[in-house]
Amino acid sequence: EAGVVQSPRYKIIEKKQPVAFWCNPISGHNTLYWYRQNLGQGPELLIRYENEEAVDDSQLPKDRFSAERLKGVDSTLKIQPAELGDSAVYLCASSSRPLAGGPGEQFFGPGTRLTVL
Amino acid sequence: SQQGEEDPQALSIQEGENATMNCSYKTSINNLQWYRQNSGRGLVHLILIRSNEREKHSGRLRVTLDTSKKSSSLLITASRAADTASYFCATGHTGANSKLTFGKGITLSVRP
Repeated sequence: EAGVVQSPRYKIIEKKQPVAFWCNPISGHNTLYWYRQNLGQGPELLIRYENEEAVDDSQLPKDRFSAERLKGVDSTLKIQPAELGDSAVYLCASSSRPLAGGPGEQFFGPGTRLTVL
Repeated sequence: SQQGEEDPQALSIQEGENATMNCSYKTSINNLQWYRQNSGRGLVHLILIRSNEREKHSGRLRVTLDTSKKSSSLLITASRAADTASYFCATGHTGANSKLTFGKGITLSVRP
């Protein structure tokens, strides 16, 4: 079974430029997450989707970040315009049905390392 | 915000020794999970322990959970060089806020 696929793996852009990340979750996983991981820190949730609905986007900086999950499968995360502080690794994860009311095991992609110059 | 706090921040041991990592958290949880991250890679799930469980084993891994102290520990027995990685605890919450909140991680180095 294929894991979570993300592209690109690396991206270097200049500030004020737009950038987009793509994620293909594990087949059959209804829940999709986007995380941001700064150097030396744990992942921080940006947005969570249940099928095509964004059910938790409270941590998404909506002035410059946007996300979509068309048809409840693939997802795209966009930053426009990028700022220096956006340099981080952007991780996508997916999971199947929640476990007894709580989040179950999450499967992570390899991430996209973004460098904003 | 990151709820889980791991301790120590870094750990260096000799191959064959046991490694113990601790995690403390602040609010009530549904479950607690441990993940491993090798350099430059995504996170890999290691083990999940529910709030009504006290101990769980998986291969060389042993996880304990003390909800009265709001703490968990991860024990890796007979460590190997391949165990060198960052380890994260993540607290799982229920309801509308059903999500994982990760700690900052522990860097484990296992010397051959």
